[in-house]
Amino acid sequence: NAGVTQTPKFRVLKTGQSMTLLCAQDMNHEYMYWYRQDPGMGLRLIHYSVGEGTTAKGEVPDGYNVSRLKKQNFLLGLESAAPSQTSVYFCASSHRTGTTDTQYFGPGTRLTVL
Amino acid sequence: GDSVTQMEGPVTLSEEAFLTINCTYTATGYPSLFWYVQYPGEGLQLLLKATKADDKGSNKGFEATYRKETTSFHLEKGSVQVSDSAVYFCALSLYNFNKFYFGSGTKLNVKP
Repeated sequence: NAGVTQTPKFRVLKTGQSMTLLCAQDMNHEYMYWYRQDPGMGLRLIHYSVGEGTTAKGEVPDGYNVSRLKKQNFLLGLESAAPSQTSVYFCASSHRTGTTDTQYFGPGTRLTVL
Repeated sequence: GDSVTQMEGPVTLSEEAFLTINCTYTATGYPSLFWYVQYPGEGLQLLLKATKADDKGSNKGFEATYRKETTSFHLEKGSVQVSDSAVYFCALSLYNFNKFYFGSGTKLNVKP
């Protein structure tokens, strides 16, 4: 099992450019999440999905869009990148169980917006 | 609202010293509590968890006890190693979509 993988690992964008980050998991998890990690702020939830075809906003959704067309994939899009979106982005997934469950994280994507 | 507060770092210790990283939480329901560890350049990995009051999570010599009366989940290790140098995150999870709330992270530096 590869677990949770993220593509790309690094990216540099100019202000106003667009890009899509891909997250894939092979654990048949129902729930998937996108976080951003900034110094001194821990992880903040951008968007999440509780199943194929469904998405919901997290704590900091502005400037991002997501799609979950397939159960194993969760895409994060930036339509018009801004310097404030310079961050490390982590994808995570978990089972849907009767109680809370562990989230499994990908290795992260380091994005710089100039 | 629901949140996690953990002690600010960095924490610098000598090898074989005792480690405590404090974590307290605020939650409207009955959360599960987690400690995650992040090594340089990597994603977060689960270190240990506890799902109900008085449970003790343990792994790799680390321990944390779910204290409902003090709303705390402090991380401890009796003898740290250089290889324990990392950032440690406390987190809680509620039943609602398994939504996680993370603390800001505590960086641990262990010197030989």
